[in-house]
Amino acid sequence: NAGVTQTPKFRVLKTGQSMTLLCAQDMNHEYMYWYRQDPGMGLRLIHYSVGEGTTAKGEVPDGYNVSRLKKQNFLLGLESAAPSQTSVYFCASRFQGDEAFFGQGTRLTVV
Amino acid sequence: EDKVVQSPLSLVVHEGDTVTLNCSYEVTNFRSLLWYKQEKKAPTFLFMLTSSGIEKKSGRLSSILDKKELFSILNITATQTGDSAIYLCAGRNTDKLIFGTGTRLQVFP
Repeated sequence: NAGVTQTPKFRVLKTGQSMTLLCAQDMNHEYMYWYRQDPGMGLRLIHYSVGEGTTAKGEVPDGYNVSRLKKQNFLLGLESAAPSQTSVYFCASRFQGDEAFFGQGTRLTVV
Repeated sequence: EDKVVQSPLSLVVHEGDTVTLNCSYEVTNFRSLLWYKQEKKAPTFLFMLTSSGIEKKSGRLSSILDKKELFSILNITATQTGDSAIYLCAGRNTDKLIFGTGTRLQVFP
């Protein structure tokens, strides 16, 4: 039982490049979330999903897209990376009514 | 717009001190208030509060929720250096989990 696994753990991108972050959970959770964490900013919600095939915008969705084609996976895409997207990205998942469990984070640097 | 505000942003104390961290929230269709501790990597769960006035306790940590005044506090008694971390609170409604900016606690020997 691995919990919530994020891939990759580190990445450096050049401005304008694209990439996809993968979040996989093996707990059969309905809800999944993508957050970014910047110094002094806490966790800001990018996008979230309430079940397979659904996605919704969070607080800071611009520049990101997501997909939830399978219940266990939640993908976060950056189509054209910008230096402002340099951050630590966390994925989380939960059952309805329960606490959220977090992945170990992805540190992304855009140069 | 849903909002969670934590105070103070930063706190420096000595071992043995007692600290109180504050969290106020404005979350549409509010369901529960959650506290997390974040050391080097992923946040780890501490408490979930759904009912007003009922204290949750785990060792030296305790937390309580006031749904009328829309706030929660996290108390840590007899602090230790291992309590040094960022403490995050989050308001949850049916779908979303909205976090505050966190309180950075530093405990010195």
